[in-house]
Amino acid sequence: EVQLVESGGGLVQPGGSLRLSCAASGFTFRNYWMTWVRQAPGKGLEWVANIKQDGSEKYYVDSVKGRFAISRDNAKNSLYLQMNNLRAEDTAIYYCAREGSTVTGVDWFDPWGQGTLVTVSS
Amino acid sequence: DIQMTQSPSSLSASVGDRVTITCRASQSISNYLTWYQQKPGKAPELLIYAASSLQSGVPSRFSGSGSGTDFTLTISSLQPEDFATYYCQQSYSTPPYTFGQGTKVEIK
Repeated sequence: EVQLVESGGGLVQPGGSLRLSCAASGFTFRNYWMTWVRQAPGKGLEWVANIKQDGSEKYYVDSVKGRFAISRDNAKNSLYLQMNNLRAEDTAIYYCAREGSTVTGVDWFDPWGQGTLVTVSS
Repeated sequence: DIQMTQSPSSLSASVGDRVTITCRASQSISNYLTWYQQKPGKAPELLIYAASSLQSGVPSRFSGSGSGTDFTLTISSLQPEDFATYYCQQSYSTPPYTFGQGTKVEIK
């Protein structure tokens, strides 16, 4: 069974740091792009960042550039999101997801993990 | 960045109704459009990719159409388990990818 399990969320003060992890199982992790998506309480989905199979390409939404860093360890089947200088507006459930694509490059996210809640508050 | 606008933001419908949700892109995205369903307290699930391709295991009452800037998700006969929030997402060109704001389907 393909499974993604996030961990590392919690309560952090503004300006603080947190590192999220996503453990993958049931598929060949090193063959897939991986992505992080977040959802603020009661709000919609926001794509955050993604990373190529070998880690050589990374992309970020503008609001986290310079503060967040996505990485992966293919030997450990794990995806990470290092979050620094956190702000109240970063409060959200953070989901990791596997990316799939057609031969023409249409990308989608499936499956998703259950999410981990990050709360930024003093 | 490409903006995605869904309409309506919410709708009320009855079991058995035909439901249509639209998604409009701020520029042409060809067929680089995906639909997700999210139930309360759960992670989103993939319904349709490449605008009209049904994900394996998704009931055939769900269908997608469109190309360019205008897209539609249709539920042909609404079932109790379909009450949820639906999101469109574009993956045209390099990231950032963007989602629509969501459409909540509620019981009338």
